[in-house]
Amino acid sequence: AQSVAQPEDQVNVAEGNPLTVKCTYSVSGNPYLFWYVQYPNRGLQFLLKYITGDNLVKGSYGFEAEFNKSQTSFHLKKPSALVSDSALYFCAVRDGDSNYQLIWGAGTKLIIKP
Amino acid sequence: SQTIHQWPATLVQPVGSPLSLECTVEGTSNPNLYWYRQAAGRGLQLLFYSVGIGQISSEVPQNLSASRPQDRQFILSSKKLLLSDSGFYLCASRTNTEAFFGQGTRLTVV
Repeated sequence: AQSVAQPEDQVNVAEGNPLTVKCTYSVSGNPYLFWYVQYPNRGLQFLLKYITGDNLVKGSYGFEAEFNKSQTSFHLKKPSALVSDSALYFCAVRDGDSNYQLIWGAGTKLIIKP
Repeated sequence: SQTIHQWPATLVQPVGSPLSLECTVEGTSNPNLYWYRQAAGRGLQLLFYSVGIGQISSEVPQNLSASRPQDRQFILSSKKLLLSDSGFYLCASRTNTEAFFGQGTRLTVV
């Protein structure tokens, strides 16, 4: 069965420091992996995705994520956090070998303190 | 890319009143469409999805229903709202490699 885990409900980071939001997944086939960001009372916005190719994926707003097949992880990272990065972040996975639904993580609240 | 139009942005309805939330999609044809509910600003709960006109799959039994009268229109309805129906509702469309979301509707049942 497909599943996604975001083990941290909340991550606190000081502005200017690097940030990591963790995501691990489980699929039976090739994983399609996604990160989305949600600002208060708004829809989700696409940040980046991994389908195939380079394990390090670069996305919007300076974010990147590294696909690690052996650890079944797809952690979201940014070298230097901004206060405006504070938001809710969702990881999602789909089995690329089928047309199964996107499975969403529970979300991680990222708080960047000035 | 696709654009999802969802309205209204906010809605306050009394218990027992009907509900109709509308979602339309631009920039694609024959999309897979989804209704999600998000409680307390956290995880997404898939309510309904549709792979075509008149085709609705329900993920969670509840007081809500969905309809797809046209290829790019997806409607979330209720005959009688409950207090527990309050939440943030999101419409989404999906391709093989990306999902697109509307701006959401904040529903408060009073």
